[in-house]
Amino acid sequence: EDKVVQSPLSLVVHEGDTVTLNCSYEVTNFRSLLWYKQEKKAPTFLFMLTSSGIEKKSGRLSSILDKKELSSILNITATQTGDSAIYLCAVENYGQNFVFGPGTRLSVLP
Amino acid sequence: DTGVSQDPRHKITKRGQNVTFRCDPISEHNRLYWYRQTLGQGPEFLTYFQNEAQLEKSRLLSDRFSAERPKGSFSTLEIQRTEQGDSAMYLCASSLDRGLGNQPQHFGDGTRLSIL
Repeated sequence: EDKVVQSPLSLVVHEGDTVTLNCSYEVTNFRSLLWYKQEKKAPTFLFMLTSSGIEKKSGRLSSILDKKELSSILNITATQTGDSAIYLCAVENYGQNFVFGPGTRLSVLP
Repeated sequence: DTGVSQDPRHKITKRGQNVTFRCDPISEHNRLYWYRQTLGQGPEFLTYFQNEAQLEKSRLLSDRFSAERPKGSFSTLEIQRTEQGDSAMYLCASSLDRGLGNQPQHFGDGTRLSIL
């Protein structure tokens, strides 16, 4: 059965800190890995990764995929209180399903 | 706003009643997904449509659940004879697949179902 694991499940940091969130997966017929940010409502899309070793960046956020290690990391530098959210990792397989992990709850204190 | 729209936002009902939720995807998106999310968990896949065809259903989707997407536009998710365990947030997402690789899903704000 396809599975996505995230760590840590919860993280509390202070503004200005850098954080690294981890995602590992066991999926048959891997197609892509996605990161989402979920605040109070709908998850919002951050990154879609399909190739190993190519870093994707958006402002203070960046992510990279390691298909050999079946994992990905999401980095957030110079964290702000507005970064407080649940960060979801999802993996798409060629059955066109998306399997989500439990999420990492990030709290950024002022 | 041309994002994914879900209705209603909240639904409170008594156990044993039937409920129906609606999702309007982004207009050009050919794929539509339904998920269920409970507190502290990531979204769990329920089912998805490619245009009007329902291509896959999760084992989570018991015979009390049915989903439709007539004409490949909006979709409805119906739960019959609701049970306490059905209380959750029901999320709809849509995406565009032109056959060159799927694009990211865009989520609606969800329908929160509470069973009394």
